[in-house]
Amino acid sequence: KNQVEQSPQSLIILEGKNCTLQCNYTVSPFSNLRWYKQDTGRGPVSLTIMTFSENTKSNGRYTATLDADTKQSSLHITASQLSDSASYICVVRNMGAQKLVFGQGTRLTINP
Amino acid sequence: NAGVTQTPKFRILKIGQSMTLQCTQDMNHNYMYWYRQDPGMGLKLIYYSVGAGITDKGEVPNGYNVSRSTTEDFPLRLELAAPSQTSVYFCASSMMGEGYEQYFGPGTRLTVT
Repeated sequence: KNQVEQSPQSLIILEGKNCTLQCNYTVSPFSNLRWYKQDTGRGPVSLTIMTFSENTKSNGRYTATLDADTKQSSLHITASQLSDSASYICVVRNMGAQKLVFGQGTRLTINP
Repeated sequence: NAGVTQTPKFRILKIGQSMTLQCTQDMNHNYMYWYRQDPGMGLKLIYYSVGAGITDKGEVPNGYNVSRSTTEDFPLRLELAAPSQTSVYFCASSMMGEGYEQYFGPGTRLTVT
């Protein structure tokens, strides 16, 4: 069954600290993986996309990794800011499918 | 560009009532989607459309209907509201299908009592 599991479910850290969010998937055949950021009361916004051949990709303070062999991805946030407080959603696409498999998200809270 | 807009933002329905959730995009995207997001769960695809006049069921279509008469608009219809349809509904669009980013609207929070 195609599934995407994220951990932890929620995380609280202090402003300025780093954190890493995890995403494990069983979606096959794999096409790509996106990380979305969803602010409270808003729709998700794409942070980065990872394809099969990519291991690491950075977008400012966000760095995503992908291990296609173990079917794992991580999102590392460096020097967190209060505005990073949001839910982070991992989304995996099947090869050839128009539909996506969404993880349940990690709720990140940055405290001052 | 406004992107993807949804109305209303909030709505409370009584059991058995009907309503239409509106979704409009101004990016000339061919693909449009409706999702629901329940607390602590991932987004679930209700219906999607690959172009005007073409719609298809997603993972959880029961209790909903859609139409796509124009490229811009993709309304979602609830005919007989049930408490199980209490959720946050997101509309999204993308230029093409696979590999392309989906742009989401701000969501509609629906409560059925």
